[in-house]
Amino acid sequence: EAGVTQFPSHSVIEKGQTVTLRCDPISGHDNLYWYRRVMGKEIKFLLHFVKESKQDESGMPNNRFLAERTGGTYSTLKVQPAELEDSGVYFCASSLDSSSGNTIYFGEGSWLTVV
Amino acid sequence: GQNIDQPTEMTATEGAIVQINCTYQTSGFNGLFWYQQHAGEAPTFLSYNVLDGLEEKGRFSSFLSRSKGYSYLLLKELQMKDSASYLCAVSSTTDSWGKLQFGSGTQVVVTP
Repeated sequence: EAGVTQFPSHSVIEKGQTVTLRCDPISGHDNLYWYRRVMGKEIKFLLHFVKESKQDESGMPNNRFLAERTGGTYSTLKVQPAELEDSGVYFCASSLDSSSGNTIYFGEGSWLTVV
Repeated sequence: GQNIDQPTEMTATEGAIVQINCTYQTSGFNGLFWYQQHAGEAPTFLSYNVLDGLEEKGRFSSFLSRSKGYSYLLLKELQMKDSASYLCAVSSTTDSWGKLQFGSGTQVVVTP
């Protein structure tokens, strides 16, 4: 069974440009999460989807970040316009449902470098 | 909020044992995860503890003391492939499931 897959694995863009990251959760997982790790810091929560609905977006840094999950399958995270401080690794994760104890599976991350 | 502390780096010899400690402060504890992450790869689930005590899975064991806000991950019979970053993450009842608070990770270096 395929795990959580993310695309692209690496992206280098100029400040002011737009980047869209994609995440395909494990098939059948209703819950999808975005996390981010910036240089020298710990992994931090961005937001949580249950199917196509945003359950919690308290970690989104500002309105330059837009996450969508149309149809409740894959999700995209768009950064527009990108700033230097947006550089980091963006992880996607998924779980079967929202019950406590459900294993949360992570993807390999999308490395974003803004120059 | 939560505050999660774990050592930055630990070095051990192949075949030895290493214990990675994690202390946390949280309002409404709802479980602690350990993940293993090799460079450039996905964090891989190792364990989840929500009750006090020791859980063993092969060479890896995880311990939790809720009263002390303390957990450790024990790696036995170390192998070179165990060189990786080990992440401690806490879930809180004040947050939705899946909203984890991570420590900065402990880089374990296994030497021959």
